[in-house]
Amino acid sequence: QKEVEQDPGPLSVPEGAIVSLNCTYSNSAFQYFMWYRQYSRKGPELLMYTYSSGNKEDGRFTAQVDKSSKYISLFIRDSQPSDSATYLCAMNAGNMLTFGGGTRLMVKP
Amino acid sequence: SAVISQKPSRDICQRGTSLTIQCQVDSQVTMMFWYRQQPGQSLTLIATANQGSEATYESGFVIDKFPISRPNLTFSTLTVSNMSPEDSSIYLCSVEMEGGYTFGSGTRLTVV
Repeated sequence: QKEVEQDPGPLSVPEGAIVSLNCTYSNSAFQYFMWYRQYSRKGPELLMYTYSSGNKEDGRFTAQVDKSSKYISLFIRDSQPSDSATYLCAMNAGNMLTFGGGTRLMVKP
Repeated sequence: SAVISQKPSRDICQRGTSLTIQCQVDSQVTMMFWYRQQPGQSLTLIATANQGSEATYESGFVIDKFPISRPNLTFSTLTVSNMSPEDSSIYLCSVEMEGGYTFGSGTRLTVV
């Protein structure tokens, strides 16, 4: 079993939809949780960085962490075709980042 | 957040040769990280590079295959040695800043 599980998708939604991306993890030592967006042929771009359980909002993005369930989510409101990318969750205990496998999102006009 | 310049952005190399990837950060950082992303896969940590000491390699990666230099607090190189087609991947450097980890744009390596 992988330490971080993420549905690979692809997830296809119409423009304007609310997107929900999720990861589950098994290591209770993970303390910091991140979401990255990666466009094809580019490096990962940090979207959200959270520590505690609860919600964190930044524009159209909301990150949610539930440490008791070992479950994190990223919500994208009013999704746009430019949001089409692979979304990676990542988490760490100490200096080592552990990534999920990534979910490919396609937002259709 | 830090700005990372990584080069080359891509290269096509013959098997048996070596390629050195450079990573330049616009601020001083203690640790730099090198990752590999194989086609269709997520990121796997190769090693952690501290200035003035030997890099620390993760399981499955060895110094002879992936030698790393870290001459100062803003620069690091990763060499992929004696390449085979299985080394075809994206290689990324990363640094930890307040608010998360920042990545370079990656080096897309194809070994033929």
